[in-house]
Amino acid sequence: DAGITQSPRHKVTETGTPVTLRCHQTENHRYMYWYRQDPGHGLRLIHYSYGVKDTDKGEVSDGYSVSRSKTEDFLLTLESATSSQTSVYFCAISEDRPGAGNTIYFGEGSWLTVV
Amino acid sequence: GDSVTQMEGPVTLSEEAFLTINCTYTATGYPSLFWYVQYPGEGLQLLLKATKADDKGSNKGFEATYRKETTSFHLEKGSVQVSDSAVYFCALSDRGYSTLTFGKGTMLLVSP
Repeated sequence: DAGITQSPRHKVTETGTPVTLRCHQTENHRYMYWYRQDPGHGLRLIHYSYGVKDTDKGEVSDGYSVSRSKTEDFLLTLESATSSQTSVYFCAISEDRPGAGNTIYFGEGSWLTVV
Repeated sequence: GDSVTQMEGPVTLSEEAFLTINCTYTATGYPSLFWYVQYPGEGLQLLLKATKADDKGSNKGFEATYRKETTSFHLEKGSVQVSDSAVYFCALSDRGYSTLTFGKGTMLLVSP
C-alpha cells in the first residue's frame, strides 16, 4: 500500500467554521491531489500540487484552498465550511504525470460532515 | 474537455456470471486509461491500466482493451465472485496531463 495518511478520518463541524484536512505521504512523490466524492458525481478534483509551493485548481476549487510547504504534506482548507461541502475527501499521490501512464494512489478518505 | 461515460448501475449478477462494464471516453489527445475499484469504506485502488491503442490491461481476472477507434475501455471478467462486489471507476488522463478525470462509477453487486 502507498504510504498515505489522511487526518482526521472523520469530522463533524458547524457551518461557518474553518476546517483543515491533512495529507501526509512517505513515498516522496512529486504530485499530490485532493478529490471529493459525492453520490452521482464520482470523484471530482479540488486542487493538486506538482511540487513544493506549486499548486493548481481543479474543477471544484471554489471555497477551498491548499498549501504544500513540504514534499510530504498537502493541506486542504475550507475557510468557512458550508453544508454543500459535506463529502468524503480523498488525498492521492503520483510519482509523475498520469498522462504518461503513471498510477495515482489514493488514501483511505476523510469523512466530513458540516451541520 | 475530457470526459468519461460509464454505464449506470447497480449491476447485479450471480456468482460465476460474466461481467462487462462499459466505458467510453472523449479526449483531445492520446490518453492513458485506467480502471479503479473501491470496496466499501475504502479508498480507490488501481485495478488495471493501458497507455496505448490495442493494449490490454489485466489484473485479478479482470481485463480491458484500449480501443481507440471506438474510444472505449470496457471492463470484463469471465466469472465474478461475491468478493468482486464494489464500485468500479473508469478514468483517463490525456497525454502530458497531470490529473485524472473519472467517470461516475458503476456499482457491482454479486450474489451467491
